[in-house]
Amino acid sequence: GAVVSQHPSWVICKSGTSVKIECRSLDFQATTMFWYRQFPKQSLMLMATSNEGSKATYEQGVEKDKFLINHASLTLSTLTVTSAHPEDSSFYICSARWTKSTYEQFFGPGTRLTVL
Amino acid sequence: TQLLEQSPQFLSIQEGENLTVYCNSSSVFSSLQWYRQEPGEGPVLLVTVVTGGEVKKLKRLTFQFGDARKDSSLHITAAQPGDTGLYLCAGVSPTNRDDKIIFGKGTRLHILP
Repeated sequence: GAVVSQHPSWVICKSGTSVKIECRSLDFQATTMFWYRQFPKQSLMLMATSNEGSKATYEQGVEKDKFLINHASLTLSTLTVTSAHPEDSSFYICSARWTKSTYEQFFGPGTRLTVL
Repeated sequence: TQLLEQSPQFLSIQEGENLTVYCNSSSVFSSLQWYRQEPGEGPVLLVTVVTGGEVKKLKRLTFQFGDARKDSSLHITAAQPGDTGLYLCAGVSPTNRDDKIIFGKGTRLHILP
């Protein structure tokens, strides 16, 4: 149980294009989903927290208009990197939590974004 | 600001040896989690410790939560190459209203066959 999937697993795009990454909780309903960014050989950096049906809460320094998050249902959250640039290249990981009574998060396998 | 300091940052040891990884903070945490992450994959939850002084075992891995709930340790007995990976500790502060998890910077472990 507690499986989280991400799609795509990797994507290469040209500078200036937008890329959408999906995060799905496959066997549970996620009250909250989180989006992280990870640079090579570094830890996870929280970008934003999203609750179903409400606006995402972004961490300081993360551009809301650059990284659009939509949490349309209890099993799906999407991250759209708008007008991507090479500096946006990174490993993006989502996680989901199934209830507020626990702080355990279950992570997706990540999406490797490369912007040329 | 709550911070989780992990040590060592890097560790390379021979197969069969024992090791301990530490996660320390000056802040109290409601719970601490340990994750293992392999290259190109998302972190996988290993354990959650909640009670001060709690000890949990997962095969050759032993996790301990400090009595004051400010620190935790992970001990691996007879390390194997399959234990190689990035070990992350993460915690939630009792004053955290945003339900965010704070991650340490990780310990990169490499077990030599």
